[in-house]
Amino acid sequence: NAGVTQTPKFRVLKTGQSMTLLCAQDMNHEYMYWYRQDPGMGLRLIHYSVGEGTTAKGEVPDGYNVSRLKKQNFLLGLESAAPSQTSVYFCASWDGEKLFFGSGTQLSVL
Amino acid sequence: SQQGEEDPQALSIQEGENATMNCSYKTSINNLQWYRQNSGRGLVHLILIRSNEREKHSGRLRVTLDTSKKSSSLLITASRAADTASYFCATGGAQKLVFGQGTRLTINP
Repeated sequence: NAGVTQTPKFRVLKTGQSMTLLCAQDMNHEYMYWYRQDPGMGLRLIHYSVGEGTTAKGEVPDGYNVSRLKKQNFLLGLESAAPSQTSVYFCASWDGEKLFFGSGTQLSVL
Repeated sequence: SQQGEEDPQALSIQEGENATMNCSYKTSINNLQWYRQNSGRGLVHLILIRSNEREKHSGRLRVTLDTSKKSSSLLITASRAADTASYFCATGGAQKLVFGQGTRLTINP
């Protein structure tokens, strides 16, 4: 099992550009999450999904959209990137007790 | 808002020593979890302690939970260079697991 896989690992955007981060899990988990991690802020929940076709807002959802068209995939979109969205993004899935994390995407918005 | 807060923010010890880090939280919990994050990597689950447990062991890890003080501690015994990482406590359920800001642990050879 690959676990949770995120692509891409690094990305540089210009302000106003759009992009999609892809997360895939092969553990058949219902729940999936997107977090961002910033220095001194810990991890903050952006959006999450409790199953295929569902999404919900987390703590910091503004500026992001998500989709869960297939159970194994959870996409995070930035429609118009801003410098404040420079961060490390982590996807995770839940097995009913604990989270499994991907290795992260380092995003810089110039 | 952060539910768990770790203390200290940073800890540097010699290899072979024990490392203790603490977590305080604000509301009642069903369980508390500890995760480790190596530099440039995702978080990895270490151990979960339920609200009706006071202590739990896993290898060189020992976790305690004091629900009356709303606090938990993680003890790593006989530390190794590979233990250098950030450690996070987390509380909450499936729909809102909230992390603290972490303790950065450095093990010096």
